Amino acid sequence: GQNIDQPTEMTATEGAIVQINCTYQTSGFNGLFWYQQHAGEAPTFLSYNVLDGLEEKGRFSSFLSRSKGYSYLLLKELQMKDSASYLCAVLDSNYQLIWGAGTKLIIKP
Amino acid sequence: DAGITQSPRHKVTETGTPVTLRCHQTENHRYMYWYRQDPGHGLRLIHYSYGVKDTDKGEVSDGYSVSRSKTEDFLLTLESATSSQTSVYFCAIRQGEFEATEAFFGQGTRLTVV
Repeated sequence: GQNIDQPTEMTATEGAIVQINCTYQTSGFNGLFWYQQHAGEAPTFLSYNVLDGLEEKGRFSSFLSRSKGYSYLLLKELQMKDSASYLCAVLDSNYQLIWGAGTKLIIKP
Repeated sequence: DAGITQSPRHKVTETGTPVTLRCHQTENHRYMYWYRQDPGHGLRLIHYSYGVKDTDKGEVSDGYSVSRSKTEDFLLTLESATSSQTSVYFCAIRQGEFEATEAFFGQGTRLTVV
């Protein structure tokens, strides 16, 4: 079967750095997406990785290791508005999106 | 922002009644999806469409049907609503299925079946 694992919940402090991990086992791989979802809102696209390595976008970075079936989202200089759920999704061999259950990130002052 | 709207945004309905949710896009994207989102389950695919009149089932399709008579509209129907279908429903669009393109989401419909 296909499976994506993320921690259910994480807590971090404003101004700090947090790393949200995602491990996957899917039938094929055509890339991995990270989405942000604030409570009561729709998911919004953050990043896409298809090759190994780190992609940086401002305060957010995403890393991929295809051989390990592993990705992480790194958030720096945390702000209160970063409190949200972060969803990991893999594009499988049929180009279908397989979603993780999401990680709820709580930022404390 | 991608032009995708869902209606209604909120609905309360009684068990056993039919319910139709609408997704409308102005992006002319070929692929459209209906997901439900429940605590602890993440996004689960109900049905998707890859063109006018072309649809297929997702992992949780039982009790749901869809129709797409125009590129811009994708309808989700609960034939006879049950309490287990209480959920938040999201529509999503993608430019191309066999491409690594991201999905854009509508604002969601919160459905309560009483």
